[in-house]
Amino acid sequence: GIQVEQSPPDLILQEGANSTLRCNFSDSVNNLQWFHQNPWGQLINLFYIPSGTKQNGRLSATTVATERYSLLYISSSQTTDSGVYFCAVVTSGYSTLTFGKGTMLLVSP
Amino acid sequence: NAGVTQTPKFQVLKTGQSMTLQCAQDMNHNSMYWYRQDPGMGLRLIYYSASEGTTDKGEVPNGYNVSRLNKREFSLRLESAAPSQTSVYFCASSEAGTGPYEQYFGPGTRLTVT
Repeated sequence: GIQVEQSPPDLILQEGANSTLRCNFSDSVNNLQWFHQNPWGQLINLFYIPSGTKQNGRLSATTVATERYSLLYISSSQTTDSGVYFCAVVTSGYSTLTFGKGTMLLVSP
Repeated sequence: NAGVTQTPKFQVLKTGQSMTLQCAQDMNHNSMYWYRQDPGMGLRLIYYSASEGTTDKGEVPNGYNVSRLNKREFSLRLESAAPSQTSVYFCASSEAGTGPYEQYFGPGTRLTVT
């Protein structure tokens, strides 16, 4: 099956710093989603981005499907950005998501 | 519009007991999914239902059964719980039977088997 690798596994930032999270996948995809799992365990949809670039406030994401990677940018980080960020993909011909192991982000004041 | 709801939020079982986790969605989605999340890992698919009346196994189906009760509801049953099933269980739904549509997740059920 498809492999999804996220980097870095852990990241510690000072409030106000910027960061880039990466997701590499081993096969072509027709769906890619980014999620934020907050400290209470809730999974929050950030982006549905099988290709191209999207922005939502301080967050933006870019997927380059031909090169099999996606990037999540967080600018001017806040303590509420802390949690685990997951990338998940659907491979062509399937309808189910395969998740990476996530990047744990801690933003300190 | 509540989205995806799950009950219960927490549950403790003894080894060998059975229970059913309930999931409902009010977005008129065709597809529904059950995942489990273990510490330090991403979510893994247990079972899914591409449309009402169909169910299929995912990556980790052993020890579980599912029922797609109607378009809104998809339940997950543990017939004889084992400590290895201690996990957080998430239900999700998406628009289409097959295809790449965005999935939306419920709040999760934290299950402990002693």
